[in-house]
Amino acid sequence: GAGVSQTPSNKVTEKGKYVELRCDPISGHTALYWYRQSLGQGPEFLIYFQGTGAADDSGLPNDRFFAVRPEGSVSTLKIQRTERGDSAVYLCASSSLASGRRNEQFFGPGTRLTVL
Amino acid sequence: AQSVTQLDSQVPVFEEAPVELRCNYSSSVSVYLFWYVQYPNQGLQLLLKYLSGSTLVKGINGFEAEFNKSQTSFHLRKPSVHISDTAEYFCAVSGMSAGGTSYGKLTFGQGTILTVHP
Repeated sequence: GAGVSQTPSNKVTEKGKYVELRCDPISGHTALYWYRQSLGQGPEFLIYFQGTGAADDSGLPNDRFFAVRPEGSVSTLKIQRTERGDSAVYLCASSSLASGRRNEQFFGPGTRLTVL
Repeated sequence: AQSVTQLDSQVPVFEEAPVELRCNYSSSVSVYLFWYVQYPNQGLQLLLKYLSGSTLVKGINGFEAEFNKSQTSFHLRKPSVHISDTAEYFCAVSGMSAGGTSYGKLTFGQGTILTVHP
């Protein structure tokens, strides 16, 4: 079946602009995660959804970052007033509650955000 | 809270040689442990995971890892590497809830770039 997809694959924006990054999880996966990977670093957790609600948003760096998952499927990460330090690859992952796969996260290819 | 340390940022090896990529973690709760691989211009792919049971876990592409609770380590090994194993490898940990499921978020190490030379 189809894996996790993310759009756009690349986004270039100017400092101060607003951006939206989209994630389509694997069909039927109730858990969805956002991570941010800066150059030369491992992914860092941002936010975790279980269904429509944010179960853990402790990784969001500040109030310029916000994410939604209104119908429990597609999620959008929103960044207001972008800064050059926001430049990174934003990764989305999803997981299933099915027994045996509950703790396995499947990652999308990422969106590379460049803030000029 | 959890943290992960990958002790080597880069590991160069020759084809058909054995390799070990080192990972140590710290956590105040029991954990699940994972190794992911990232090939150039591709997403993260799960290599293997330790949830419970045997401390030696086998994954895809001939990789294996051993969980050592006393040393808080989860080193990744392969007895004979191929050129196609060239990639970046990430160790990750997830805290375990009282119910035995993951808290959700993964904490990653900084990655180890494995380069296999002919």
